[in-house]
Amino acid sequence: DVKVTQSSRYLVKRTGEKVFLECVQDMDHENMFWYRQDPGLGLRLIYFSYDVKMKEKGDIPEGYSVSREKKERFSLILESASTNQTSMYLCASSALSQGNTEAFFGQGTRLTVV
Amino acid sequence: GDSVTQMEGPVTLSEEAFLTINCTYTATGYPSLFWYVQYPGEGLQLLLKATKADDKGSNKGFEATYRKETTSFHLEKGSVQVSDSAVYFCALLTGANSKLTFGKGITLSVRP
Repeated sequence: DVKVTQSSRYLVKRTGEKVFLECVQDMDHENMFWYRQDPGLGLRLIYFSYDVKMKEKGDIPEGYSVSREKKERFSLILESASTNQTSMYLCASSALSQGNTEAFFGQGTRLTVV
Repeated sequence: GDSVTQMEGPVTLSEEAFLTINCTYTATGYPSLFWYVQYPGEGLQLLLKATKADDKGSNKGFEATYRKETTSFHLEKGSVQVSDSAVYFCALLTGANSKLTFGKGITLSVRP
């Protein structure tokens, strides 16, 4: 029962390319997140969204943008990929309402920029 | 702001040993608390959660109790297995439009 799906498990892109990472959730969650995970640095929040067309910067938004045109889909965009954006990218969604607090992750996308 | 502090790692245990991974938090309001597990090369899986004080989350032999008085959510397992080797993250969520806040994660290795 897949709940959060990321479009790719592995991606290899060239420096300067525009890269799209897609995330879709089927739980009707309001909130969606993009994190990157690097050895020794833990999970760092890039952007999050709490509603369609709404977005908030996380801790490390530089070099990234996002799009949320539909509730179920949250896209992370690397405008011009660089080698320091080689990382594991994790998408999550959450809902917080009385009696139903949950947050789930996708399987991750390992991006390599060469 | 909100924060989560996990004990330093890595942790190496022998199979069938008792496990405790400490987690404390700072938050405004009344957060929901989570433990996630990440196996090599995978995303994060929800292991257990607790949404209010004194709640106990449990799953796969793991337990954690939401202690408001000590602002803690320590993860325990009575007898670990080699298959429990993974990275464990403690996290919290406050408010309807809040972000998930994570600890740094801790790597557990269980040897046969």
